[in-house]
Amino acid sequence: EVQLVESGGGLVQPGRSLRLSCTASGFSFGDYLMSWVRQAPGKGLEWVGFIRSKAYGGTTEYAASVKGRFTISRDDSKSIAYLQMNSLKTEDTAVYYCTKKGGISGYHPFDSWGQGTLVTVSS
Amino acid sequence: DIQMTQSPSTLSASVGDRVTITCRASQSIGTWLAWNQQKPGKAPKLLIYKASSLESGVPSRFSGSGSGTEFTLTISSLQPDDSATYYCQQYNVYWTFGQGTKVEVK
Repeated sequence: EVQLVESGGGLVQPGRSLRLSCTASGFSFGDYLMSWVRQAPGKGLEWVGFIRSKAYGGTTEYAASVKGRFTISRDDSKSIAYLQMNSLKTEDTAVYYCTKKGGISGYHPFDSWGQGTLVTVSS
Repeated sequence: DIQMTQSPSTLSASVGDRVTITCRASQSIGTWLAWNQQKPGKAPKLLIYKASSLESGVPSRFSGSGSGTEFTLTISSLQPDDSATYYCQQYNVYWTFGQGTKVEVK
């Protein structure tokens, strides 16, 4: 069974940094693109960014709203994906979900989601 | 960026009703469209992918159709457990979600 468990959320002041972790199990983590999606309180889902598998270069892409401030990385030996968030703004307050692409190659939606971790940016 | 627009934003229907939600893409996405269900306090759950393929374990009362820029999610006979917010999601170019449709079961 696929499991994604996020950790690292909490209360942080504007301008500070926070790193989220996503610990995966139940699948061959290194073979899959991993992504982060966030949801502000009472709002819809917003894709944040992704990291490709090493087989596809391990490269990353980000939404315009976080580009230059957020960085996604992965440690395939530990089956963990990270979301490093710098220069946090109040509008980054959200539940952050770790997600897994539904297939190794080609077009796929996200087929598995973690339970989410809440990040609150406030002074 | 591809924008996804859902309608309606909310709907209220009775048990047994047939319910339809529409999703429009700002440009053609072929059939690279998924539908997700999210209940309060929970993570989204994939219901349908490739516009009309049912994810394993999802009740057959859920169905999807469409291609190009117009898509629909239909619940053939609404059940109390279907009370949730439904999001369409394109995955033709990266991933983008619609704003959601909240379904209330009377």
